[in-house]
Amino acid sequence: ETGVTQTPRHLVMGMTNKKSLKCEQHLGHNAMYWYKQSAKKPLELMFVYSLEERVENNSVPSRFSPECPNSSHLFLHLHTLQPEDSALYLCASSQSTGGAGNQPQHFGDGTRLSIL
Amino acid sequence: AQKITQTQPGMFVQEKEAVTLDCTYDTSDPSYGLFWYKQPSSGEMIFLIYQGSYDQQNATEGRYSLNFQKARKSANLVISASQLGDSAMYFCAMRLNTGFQKLVFGTGTRLLVSP
Repeated sequence: ETGVTQTPRHLVMGMTNKKSLKCEQHLGHNAMYWYKQSAKKPLELMFVYSLEERVENNSVPSRFSPECPNSSHLFLHLHTLQPEDSALYLCASSQSTGGAGNQPQHFGDGTRLSIL
Repeated sequence: AQKITQTQPGMFVQEKEAVTLDCTYDTSDPSYGLFWYKQPSSGEMIFLIYQGSYDQQNATEGRYSLNFQKARKSANLVISASQLGDSAMYFCAMRLNTGFQKLVFGTGTRLLVSP
């Protein structure tokens, strides 16, 4: 069983659709993250959750709505997306959000999202 | 603000040779961590190696080593004895040790290992 699992792996949706991305971590971590990876751009941090509480929201448009029902699961609800939202969406987890020491974030395989 | 710069968009290396991927960083904070990740075409970001700003020795992890030069603010990744499976994107990232664990990534280097 992989550490961080994301579903679906690929998603094609129209601009008026509503869909959700799912992330599950099996590492016993307390922090979870959503990142957006667009072509030729550095990874962009979107949301951070620590113990199911959102601690960071990096000026992400409201058409992206995160949900963290427990420390193992993270969702990203999508509605009325734009073509520029087409990207790879990566979920990650870490032991905590407190920095220091060798606490790497562990990533899933990502969901490749295409907006028609 | 922190910034990571990876100046090599692409690198080529022959199998069994060593290769160095460059990374420079910018921060005024004295306490930070540096990470390298590998991203194969499948998309997953795989953690490779970590270097703390106060670590006295360069980090090593199997065939991966980190050439940490603090005064130059560089943290280059050295891959020894390259394998075909090393072909992937490689990202350098930095995390400040104050506040929450925000990783700042570079734009990455695509490594291609040829037979």
